[in-house]
Amino acid sequence: QVQLVESGGGVVQPGRSLRLSCVASGFTFIDDAMHWVRQAPGRGLEWLAVISYNGGNKFYANSVKGRFTISRDNSKKTLYLEVNSLRAEDTAMYYCASDRGGTGTTTLGFAYWGQGTLVTVSS
Amino acid sequence: QSVLTQPPSVSGAPGQRVTISCTGSSSNIGALYDVHWYQQLPGMAPKLLIYANTKRPSGVPDRFSGSQSGTSASLAITGLQAEDEADYYCQSYDRSLSGVLFGGGTKLTVL
Repeated sequence: QVQLVESGGGVVQPGRSLRLSCVASGFTFIDDAMHWVRQAPGRGLEWLAVISYNGGNKFYANSVKGRFTISRDNSKKTLYLEVNSLRAEDTAMYYCASDRGGTGTTTLGFAYWGQGTLVTVSS
Repeated sequence: QSVLTQPPSVSGAPGQRVTISCTGSSSNIGALYDVHWYQQLPGMAPKLLIYANTKRPSGVPDRFSGSQSGTSASLAITGLQAEDEADYYCQSYDRSLSGVLFGGGTKLTVL
């Protein structure tokens, strides 16, 4: 049974940082590129970042470049997203998702998604 | 502002056929990057519905189909059912952005 379980969200003050985690099971984690996607309340899906199967390629949306950092630990089957200098507009549900396009330079579709972790930026 | 453009909403009666369009450009769909479609039910994570323009993952009914031509793609749903009421998103890769794009999403209402 495939599972992606995100954690690390919560209520955080503007300007602070968080580290989100996504633990995978039930599929071959080391074969897949991994993505982070967010969805602000009542809004659409926004792609944030991708990391290739071996961590060698990382790409970011312009909206988060320089503030967010994606990483992975294949030995722990875990994906991370470091989010810094948080702003009110970063308030959203953050999802991790897997992609058989392992290099991160295209996408074969996000086959598996987690249930998300909610980040609320508020003073 | 999404670079993949979808209609904000579509509607249809049970049993009818509806289509959702996704219009891109020469740096994404027109560059022959695959289009994928997702269904998001209220309060749930998105689910892959169509991948590589026309393919259905295991378990997705054949009432759902995808097509692609030029810089656009479409999702068709036939035999509309109440359970199809959801938000639908197209997705592709953009070589100018070196990243993934989602359309703005389309809310399907079953009348």
